[in-house]
Amino acid sequence: QVQLVESGGGVVQPGRSLRLSCAVSGFTFSSYSIHWVRQAPGKGLEWVAVISYDGSDKHYADSVKGRFTISRDNSKNTLYLEVNSLRDEDTAMYYCARVRSAHSYGSDFDYWGQGTLVTVSS
Amino acid sequence: DIQMTQSPSSVSASVGDRVTITCRASQGINSWLAWYQQKPGKAPQLLIYAASSLQRGVPSRFSGSGSGTDFTLTISSLQPEDFATYYCQQSKSFPYTFGQGTKLDIK
Repeated sequence: QVQLVESGGGVVQPGRSLRLSCAVSGFTFSSYSIHWVRQAPGKGLEWVAVISYDGSDKHYADSVKGRFTISRDNSKNTLYLEVNSLRDEDTAMYYCARVRSAHSYGSDFDYWGQGTLVTVSS
Repeated sequence: DIQMTQSPSSVSASVGDRVTITCRASQGINSWLAWYQQKPGKAPQLLIYAASSLQRGVPSRFSGSGSGTDFTLTISSLQPEDFATYYCQQSKSFPYTFGQGTKLDIK
């Protein structure tokens, strides 16, 4: 079955960095674009970034552009999000989500991981 | 950026009620709209894609309609498991954006 499992979250001081991972199984990873979506405690959903299925194209939310980097290793079936220069407002649960349609950026997300929590605090 | 505005922000209803949630886009998005359900402590689940297409495995009491800027999610007869928060999401252009959410709770 399709699974996405995030890891790498934790408590980090402002200005520091983390690398989040999303390990996938149950589908052909190299055929699907994957997105990161985050949710601050008690708040709504915020789209963060996307990487195309072949890794050739990426897009970011303005709030993270220049600080976050999305990447993927199709040989390891793993997606990454390098989060740098962390701010208090980056505190959130970070979800990776698969698009419903292969070989496209996708318009919607049919499978989600359980999330990894990033807490930025001094 | 395209802004997505949901209404109401919260609604109380009873089992068996019909509930409608609306989502308005700040500019036309054709049918590039999805709806998600999220329960506390869980990841969102896709309900509707392309404004009106029911995701596989989602009960038929859920339906979506609309195009352009105005969209609705309707639950025809509320069941106990439907009490949750609902989000719309546009994918017409980057950055993708979500509505602020509508919390549906028990009256």
